[in-house]
Amino acid sequence: QVQLQESGPGLVKPSETLSLTCTVSGGSISSYYWSWIRQPPGKGLEWIGYIYYSGSTNYNPSLKSRVTISVDTSKNQFSLKLSSVTAADTAVYYCARGVVVITNWGQGTLVTVSS
Amino acid sequence: QSVLTQPPSASGTPGQRVTISCSGSSSNIGSNTVNWYQQLPGTAPKLLIYSNNQRPSGVPDRFSGSKSGTSASLAISGLQSEDEADYYCAAWDDSLNGRCWVFGGGTKLTVL
Repeated sequence: QVQLQESGPGLVKPSETLSLTCTVSGGSISSYYWSWIRQPPGKGLEWIGYIYYSGSTNYNPSLKSRVTISVDTSKNQFSLKLSSVTAADTAVYYCARGVVVITNWGQGTLVTVSS
Repeated sequence: QSVLTQPPSASGTPGQRVTISCSGSSSNIGSNTVNWYQQLPGTAPKLLIYSNNQRPSGVPDRFSGSKSGTSASLAISGLQSEDEADYYCAAWDDSLNGRCWVFGGGTKLTVL
């Protein structure tokens, strides 16, 4: 059973770059799409973007100018970078396998944007 | 404001049947399949329904989905206390900006 685990700083300062990594275990990162989704406290889900194991990406238009998703197949990891963060980027960030139809999620990690 | 529209709340008593609606447009529900997620407090979402009306293995048949035009619905029959959760619809949206995955705003289901 594939498992996903998010890792990265839980606190990021305004205007800085949020960086998270998702480590995939129990299966290969190859041949799948991998997504990042976030959920502000008490609010709904928002898709951030996805990457195919080959490196092709697709981002939410509302975040596209600030988002970069990359993959490292040698480490079975994929990563998220979100630049110029503000308090509005405070959320639980989930990594997941697939797009739209997702059966494997990470547990989520809370990232707070604050000085 | 979410691209897909859901009622913010719904409720029912144990054993009842409840439905949750999800309204979209021709660029999302009207031309793509709908998926539903259940999110229990403090946990990651769980896939409940995919491709409008398909249940993943392990999801009880009390849960069913349907789609008509630009709207979709999730029905829960024989309501149980453990069904108290947030429910989200999701679909692809094919707009001028490209293909985007969109969610509904979520519906909080309360079992009275």
